[in-house]
Amino acid sequence: DIRMTQSPSSLSASVGDRVTITCRASQSIRKFLNWYQQKPGKAPKLLIYAASSLQSGVPSRFSGSGSGTDFTLTISSLQPEDFATYYCQQSYSTLMYTFGQGTKLEIK
Amino acid sequence: EVQLLESGGGLAQPGGSLRLSCAASGFTFSSWAMNWVRQAPGKGLEWVSVISGSGGSSYYADSVKGRFTISRDNSKNILYLQMNSLRAEDTAVYYCAKSSIFSGFDSLDYWGQGTPVTVSS
Repeated sequence: DIRMTQSPSSLSASVGDRVTITCRASQSIRKFLNWYQQKPGKAPKLLIYAASSLQSGVPSRFSGSGSGTDFTLTISSLQPEDFATYYCQQSYSTLMYTFGQGTKLEIK
Repeated sequence: EVQLLESGGGLAQPGGSLRLSCAASGFTFSSWAMNWVRQAPGKGLEWVSVISGSGGSSYYADSVKGRFTISRDNSKNILYLQMNSLRAEDTAVYYCAKSSIFSGFDSLDYWGQGTPVTVSS
């Protein structure tokens, strides 16, 4: 199985900050990496697919990069609505998708 | 507008069964693979199962293999998850999610609101 490890597990930041979340795969997944945002009590929302492609309707302050085993999600200037939990997910192994454990982004 | 509406969750006893449903609208249901993803209380997301658009192929997480069965009725635009031999660790909110493919890359682009399942005596 492909294991996905996110860091940090939690992060405190202020409105306007630039924030980076990291996701590492246990083996190369090329660019088969997606990022989701989840707010409390709500379903996850797709932000980034194929490591760096912005899903339609997602603000351009969100960006993704990486390939192989190391990936990042960057929020260029945090907005109040961005405080949420973020998950990476590999889609390289279509027989068994796996998610990272999540990164909770909190207000400082 | 794509809509996914889960139902069928509730309280079940250990060893019992439940069947979840997900009613889909706003897209050509039979053209897309569909998934179940769950989230235990206070925990992260766990992918559970996927079924192809035709229903001819399906795959499961090891944690549910042999106990859960995914299926779909393309004439009714409904996705199902039959859950048997339930365990306490199956307690979670269960989401259905639509697969998307762009340039060969898969993702889950639409999600339902989730239905809670509690396994307890």
